[in-house]
Order: sequence, then structure tokens, then C-alpha cells
Amino acid sequence: AQTVTQSQPEMSVQEAETVTLSCTYDTSESDYYLFWYKQPPSRQMILVIRQEAYKQQNATENRFSVNFQKAAKSFSLKISDSQLGDAAMYFCASVGNTGNQFYFGTGTSLTVIP
Amino acid sequence: KAGVTQTPRYLIKTRGQQVTLSCSPISGHRSVSWYQQTPGQGLQFLFEYFSETQRNKGNFPGRFSGRQFSNSRSEMNVSTLELGDSALYLCASSREDWTDPWANEKLFFGSGTQLSVL
Repeated sequence: AQTVTQSQPEMSVQEAETVTLSCTYDTSESDYYLFWYKQPPSRQMILVIRQEAYKQQNATENRFSVNFQKAAKSFSLKISDSQLGDAAMYFCASVGNTGNQFYFGTGTSLTVIP
Repeated sequence: KAGVTQTPRYLIKTRGQQVTLSCSPISGHRSVSWYQQTPGQGLQFLFEYFSETQRNKGNFPGRFSGRQFSNSRSEMNVSTLELGDSALYLCASSREDWTDPWANEKLFFGSGTQLSVL
């Protein structure tokens, strides 16, 4: 089984500033994938960024990047140059390579202050 | 290409009733998963179907069941509703393509069905 923990229920950031959302996970699988999903008020879950556990290089997608620390089982999301549209609930998730069962954290609600 | 469609968007039921939720995946996607989302609990996996067969099941009571049809559309049923079943139910589909290592792990979500049990 896998567990995903997000210890920050709420975070806020000033527009144009940088914010980091924390996530830790635990898994017994040797190969797995990690994700950050964004859920705006529309409720539509949107994939923000993904990381293959066997890759040491941190994934980046425009203003979004991760800090993947495999030994520490940590997978934090950094949002640079925060925009008002970044305000949403962010979920960290993991999945092993043996099935399609995703494990999600409890989410971090991000507020962007103009 | 149309996204994942869930119907209805909102549903109000009373305790003891049963409910059926529907999910139409993206065309070509054969895997459909269901998740329950509640405040403070995040998303919890209910079950996953592939080619009309339940492939994975989460830790939910037998009152929660599902099925998948030959066109990949899926339904989820909850019998004898309880107040604690009030939640947002999300459906997600993914494409099974073993030539693309990311295809199987990329979930596309619908907007969910908000179920309120009174």
C-alpha cells in the first residue's frame, strides 16, 4: 500500500512570489510515479506536473517545478511567479506501476493574494 | 475530443435510498476509476474497471459497487445511503498503451457528481 501526506492544509502567497507545497509519501513499490494535481473551484482535477521515481532529475513545467528527494520520500511543488489563476486546491498523488490505483494526499488550499 | 463526462452534477438523496452515478470516459480510454472526495480526507480510491472487469478495489463497504459497459462507460451504485456518503464522486479515465509509459498513469478527471445525503 502507499500513503501520501500533505501537512499544509492551507497556504497563501503574494502574486508574483514563490511558494512551495510539501508532500511526503510512503510506498513499498520499487517503481512508482508521483504527481501534483490542481483542483480549482470548477472541481476539474488538472495534472500540473509528474515525476518518474527512477529519474533523479527534478521535473519542471514552466513556472512549476518539483524537489524530489527519493531517500527522504519527499516530493514538494514549487510555484514561481504566482498568478491569481494558481489559486486552487493542490493534491499530491502517487501510483505504482502495477495498477491504476492512485493514492492522494488530503490537499493544500492555495490562496494567491493580489 | 470530449473530456470525461459525469452525470448528474448534483444529487440530493435521503438516508436508505440508493443512487447510481454515470461516467463516460474519453473516447479510446478503456480504464475508468472512481474516487470519493471529502473535506479533510482527500480523494479515496473506490474501484477501477478495465474492459468491463473490476481490476482494483479500494477499502469501501459492499454498498459501493460499479460496473463498466462494452463502450467503456461506467456506472457506480451506492445502496442504503448513509449520511457519511455525502461527498464529491470523481471519475477518471486513462488510456492503456504499453508503448507509452506515461499513458497508463495519466488520469483525466471529470467534474464529479456532488452527492448530498439528508
